[in-house]
Amino acid sequence: GAGVSQSPSNKVTEKGKDVELRCDPISGHTALYWYRQSLGQGLEFLIYFQGNSAPDKSGLPSDRFSAERTGGSVSTLTIQRTQQEDSAVYLCASSRRTATNEKLFFGSGTQLSVL
Amino acid sequence: AQTVTQSQPEMSVQEAETVTLSCTYDTSESDYYLFWYKQPPSRQMILVIRQEAYKQQNATENRFSVNFQKAAKSFSLKISDSQLGDAAMYFCALNNYGQNFVFGPGTRLSVLP
Repeated sequence: GAGVSQSPSNKVTEKGKDVELRCDPISGHTALYWYRQSLGQGLEFLIYFQGNSAPDKSGLPSDRFSAERTGGSVSTLTIQRTQQEDSAVYLCASSRRTATNEKLFFGSGTQLSVL
Repeated sequence: AQTVTQSQPEMSVQEAETVTLSCTYDTSESDYYLFWYKQPPSRQMILVIRQEAYKQQNATENRFSVNFQKAAKSFSLKISDSQLGDAAMYFCALNNYGQNFVFGPGTRLSVLP
């Protein structure tokens, strides 16, 4: 596609429910990142994927969070047993590779609200 | 550990005037890249400008330029001839080779007509 696509754009869920957030990166981009942005805050790194290498999961805040990337393209971020503190905007970004100077292309994010 | 600090949570500038957004960072690496990203209300972040640490010349992109002081670990963004469309959150970011991008907390810029 022309850009990074994220769905849904908004998600409201009840505490304790599981949610899945989807990211469709730019075709051909081998690197994919997930970030979390709480209200008025900066970007908190969650996880990144680079090609067929093992993902860097060092930013995942708890074992309720997991992510996968199928076929080196679409990625799904899953949050199990959601808590109110999980409410945030979840941003996905992709780049051609994880090189230092590579430009990140961002999606418009998913606004998650946990009631 | 790498950190990025933006000490100005909010800034405002009059249309057509110049404004400078501050950023300081910390890294033990000698080679790295620095970036400024803009996040408008649409939430989609857009690259404004990037700087290679080994280059002494400051990067410029049209009305946007940086003042890179490597020894001081400072990377400020100057916006000249500010326009209403420049109103957004601005994030400073650092990337070492093959590592994750580290972002600062952001500066919210308002442009006054």
